[in-house]
Amino acid sequence: LAKTTQPISMDSYEGQEVNITCSHNNIATNDYITWYQQFPSQGPRFIIQGYKTKVTNEVASLFIPADRKSSTLSLPRVSLSDTAVYYCLVGGRMDTGRRALTFGSGTRLQVQP
Amino acid sequence: ETGVTQTPRHLVMGMTNKKSLKCEQHLGHNAMYWYKQSAKKPLELMFVYSLEERVENNSVPSRFSPECPNSSHLFLHLHTLQPEDSALYLCASSQVASGRAYPNNEQFFGPGTRLTVL
Repeated sequence: LAKTTQPISMDSYEGQEVNITCSHNNIATNDYITWYQQFPSQGPRFIIQGYKTKVTNEVASLFIPADRKSSTLSLPRVSLSDTAVYYCLVGGRMDTGRRALTFGSGTRLQVQP
Repeated sequence: ETGVTQTPRHLVMGMTNKKSLKCEQHLGHNAMYWYKQSAKKPLELMFVYSLEERVENNSVPSRFSPECPNSSHLFLHLHTLQPEDSALYLCASSQVASGRAYPNNEQFFGPGTRLTVL
């Protein structure tokens, strides 16, 4: 897994749009960018995946600039049930050539009423 | 329900016990994974079994032994564990297309097994 950097936590209110940005400077040509959501004591759940430009599904949008060194997960009109940890996952190898094998620390999103 | 089941959901064992965690996927996928999630630590990949590759995280102690008899079943055999091995153990599966090895494919996670080592 390429090293990714995300904010540790974010706060929002119901009905607002939330944008979570992930930096992945050493993304490789063949790597896709995948976002997962995890609630306490549950396994992560796939949200969205993209390679370049913009991807949209029924729950989120993913924006990827041309250089692909970052990506932004956009959650429209969040609700209390969106309170969770969000992980950005990017494939590839570290500069040493070894594969990195962790999801990263993720972003803890807290949605307030 | 994600189509990935894990048993048991909770397990308490002593350091001298031998136990096994079981994972089964009903999605027709061709790859399966074991992850470890300790309190306040990142989700860590332990093992991958797929047509594309078999990956073993070199930092995983030998007291954890995986077994994948077929594409639908995955086991994690545990022996002489330590208290620091207490964690949530997650199984996942995915359909790996040619040229899109882990993690460039959508993974479906099971509910996990909460393991406590006394």
